[in-house]
Amino acid sequence: EVQLVESGGGLVKPGGSLRLSCAASGFTFSSYSMNWVRQAPGKGLEWVSSISSSSSYIYYADSVKGRFTISRDNAKNSLYLQMNSLRAEDTAVYYCARALSTIHGMDVWGQGTTVTVSS
Amino acid sequence: QAGLTQPPSVSKGLRQTATLTCTGNSNNVGNQGAAWLQQHQGHPPKLLSYRNNNRPSGISERFSASRSGNTASLTITGLQPEDEADYYCSAWDSSLSAWVFGGGTKLTVL
Repeated sequence: EVQLVESGGGLVKPGGSLRLSCAASGFTFSSYSMNWVRQAPGKGLEWVSSISSSSSYIYYADSVKGRFTISRDNAKNSLYLQMNSLRAEDTAVYYCARALSTIHGMDVWGQGTTVTVSS
Repeated sequence: QAGLTQPPSVSKGLRQTATLTCTGNSNNVGNQGAAWLQQHQGHPPKLLSYRNNNRPSGISERFSASRSGNTASLTITGLQPEDEADYYCSAWDSSLSAWVFGGGTKLTVL
């Protein structure tokens, strides 16, 4: 079964850090670009970051550039998101999602992990 | 990053047809087309179609997508109660080097 499972969310104070992980199974992880997408409470989807299959291309939304770092380990079938200098507006459910290409869209999504930034 | 434009809500009756729209520009929808996602409350999004009208395996033929210029559309025929959900469009923006999403349309089936 094709599956993505996020972990690492939690409650953190403003200015703090968290590292999210996404474990992939059931498909050839190294063939797909991977993405982080978040959804604030009661709001729509917001793209956060993308990384190509071999990590050659990395992109960030302006709202997280300089604070978040995406990475992957194809040997471990895992995707990561290091989040530093967290702000209240980063509070959201964070989803990882795979995409074969920019044309194919994000076709498999994890269940999400919740990040709450609050003092 | 600028997003795609979707109407906030659409309401239609049971067994009717709903058409949802998504407007972008020549760098995103007009370039690589749009993907459509369905999200039920408390669940992750689910891909319904990509590059305008390619459906992943298992997606009902009641869902069909199209594009005209910079506007993508999702048509849902024979509306069922389970179609009540939030629908998002997304596209890769080649100018921004970023994925952009629409704000979502809440579909209510009366």
